[in-house]
Amino acid sequence: NAGVTQTPKFQVLKTGQSMTLQCAQDMNHEYMSWYRQDPGMGLRLIHYSVGAGITDQGEVPNGYNVSRSTTEDFPLRLLSAAPSQTSVYFCASSLSYSSRNEKLFFGSGTQLSVL
Amino acid sequence: AQRVTQPEKLLSVFKGAPVELKCNYSYSGSPELFWYVQYSRQRLQLLLRHISRESIKGFTADLNKGETSFHLKKPFAQEEDSAMYYCAPVIQGAQKLVFGQGTRLTINP
Repeated sequence: NAGVTQTPKFQVLKTGQSMTLQCAQDMNHEYMSWYRQDPGMGLRLIHYSVGAGITDQGEVPNGYNVSRSTTEDFPLRLLSAAPSQTSVYFCASSLSYSSRNEKLFFGSGTQLSVL
Repeated sequence: AQRVTQPEKLLSVFKGAPVELKCNYSYSGSPELFWYVQYSRQRLQLLLRHISRESIKGFTADLNKGETSFHLKKPFAQEEDSAMYYCAPVIQGAQKLVFGQGTRLTINP
């Protein structure tokens, strides 16, 4: 199993550009999520999904869209990049969100800079 | 509102000294509590969870329901413990998995 795979690892965008961060997992996990990591702010939840076709907003959803057309994939779209979206982005998944004992598996992260 | 707080953003201790990373939570119900760790150039990973009553890499975490805290402790810090640590409470059936702000632990030689 590859686990949680994120691409790209690094990306530089200009203000106003759009792009998609890819996330895929091969563990048949029900739950997938996107976080951003900023110094002093910790990990903040952007969007999450509890299954194919089901998504919802996290703590900081503005400026981001997601979709979950398959169990495996959960792409994150930046609609019009802004410097405030410069961050490290992590995708994470777990087998089930309904069990309190399930741990999250994380991707290796995408470092995004918006100029 | 449900909140989790890690009051120390930065914590620096000397090798061999005890270390305690604080986590306080404000949740309705009884959350399950996790600590995650991110070592330099590695992925975030689970360190330990309360339900397992485990000790991982010498770390333990004590749940204090009265104080609603889940502090992470290690009696003798090692240099390889330097990392970013996140506390995460999980509520049964909760869809949002929210983390604390994180504590960057540095162990000085």
